[in-house]
Amino acid sequence: SQKIEQNSEALNIQEGKTATLTCNYTNYSPAYLQWYRQDPGRGPVFLLLIRENEKEKRKERLKVTFDTTLKQSLFHITASQPADSATYLCALPTNTNAGKSTFGDGTTLTVKP
Amino acid sequence: NAGVTQTPKFQVLKTGQSMTLQCAQDMNHEYMSWYRQDPGMGLRLIHYSVGAGITDQGEVPNGYNVSRSTTEDFPLRLLSAAPSQTSVYFCASTIPGRGEQYFGPGTRLTVT
Repeated sequence: SQKIEQNSEALNIQEGKTATLTCNYTNYSPAYLQWYRQDPGRGPVFLLLIRENEKEKRKERLKVTFDTTLKQSLFHITASQPADSATYLCALPTNTNAGKSTFGDGTTLTVKP
Repeated sequence: NAGVTQTPKFQVLKTGQSMTLQCAQDMNHEYMSWYRQDPGMGLRLIHYSVGAGITDQGEVPNGYNVSRSTTEDFPLRLLSAAPSQTSVYFCASTIPGRGEQYFGPGTRLTVT
């Protein structure tokens, strides 16, 4: 089965800096990889999906890279703001079925003003 | 659209009691899933469904039952609650081939 490791449980950075979160996976290479944001007491919210044939994807201040050789995805938030403070989860499909995914334990980002 | 809704928001059960967690979505998504999330941990898949009448087990199915009689609803039943089932439960739905899942607000369950 797929195993996911996210780089650290907690990441603290100063406002305005770039936050970089890591997601490493083992076993087979998935067709795509997703990133979600979760605020305390709430359900995860989908942010970005990157497919195996895409090296990089951007959405506003977010950038995701996907290296299938290294079996790694990097998630960047540029010009970070205190409102970006949350837990970020990466997820991979467990099989070709989109309804079955494996999630990492998440990295909690705190952006200090 | 209300998206994915879950009831109740909070529940306290005694060991051995049974209950049903409700989940509904109004986006006509074929795929629905139930996850549990324990403190400091990611989401673990309990059961999922690829359409009405079709369900399958996830990573941690023991102690839980599901059924899917309509596209909209996907209830999760706890047969005989145990303290190990204390957790936050999330329901999610998705469109086949799209990948991104839409999550409900969660049900926080405590079993004493």
